[in-house]
Amino acid sequence: DAGVIQSPRHEVTEMGQEVTLRCKPISGHDYLFWYRQTMMRGLELLIYFNNNVPIDDSGMPEDRFSAKMPNASFSTLKIQPSEPRDSAVYFCASSPSFRTTDTQYFGPGTRLTVL
Amino acid sequence: AQSVTQLDSQVPVFEEAPVELRCNYSSSVSVYLFWYVQYPNQGLQLLLKYLSGSTLVESINGFEAEFNKSQTSFHLRKPSVHISDTAEYFCAVRPSGGYQKVTFGTGTKLQVIP
Repeated sequence: DAGVIQSPRHEVTEMGQEVTLRCKPISGHDYLFWYRQTMMRGLELLIYFNNNVPIDDSGMPEDRFSAKMPNASFSTLKIQPSEPRDSAVYFCASSPSFRTTDTQYFGPGTRLTVL
Repeated sequence: AQSVTQLDSQVPVFEEAPVELRCNYSSSVSVYLFWYVQYPNQGLQLLLKYLSGSTLVESINGFEAEFNKSQTSFHLRKPSVHISDTAEYFCAVRPSGGYQKVTFGTGTKLQVIP
């Protein structure tokens, strides 16, 4: 299996621009998570999906952030408009099922820099 | 709600020396405990986990962690570190029943010095 795939790996954009991060989970995994990692706040859960349905988006920082999962093999995290404080590494992770013993498999991350 | 505390943000240690990375958690319900490792420019990978049974769990590369319920701790140890162990280590908890939501600690950077 190719693992969780994220694109792009690096993104540099200017303040005010729209940014779209993409994720392809491991085939057959029912859960998909979006995390943000910064030096100041560590690793934060933004949102997670179960069977393409958003379950908990309480970690989404504000309305500028939105996430979608149109099908089982693709998800996007969009920031519009972007701000310098959004600069971080964004990780996508997937997990096989609801069983509590299942762990999460992380992608390599997208390093976002907003100038 | 759960929380995880990793008091040490950085731990330098000489090669072949022992190391302990500390993790304490807080929870009103029973939890599962995890250690994840993040190598430079990579995503997190599961290192080991405690679900039930023996309180001492081991990884394939020589790390071990012991669940101590009375002290609410899950410290990670290795008797002799290698250069390749240089990475950031995250302790994590999740409820033993219910949702998949995992709470991560802030991480400890292990720097192995030759």
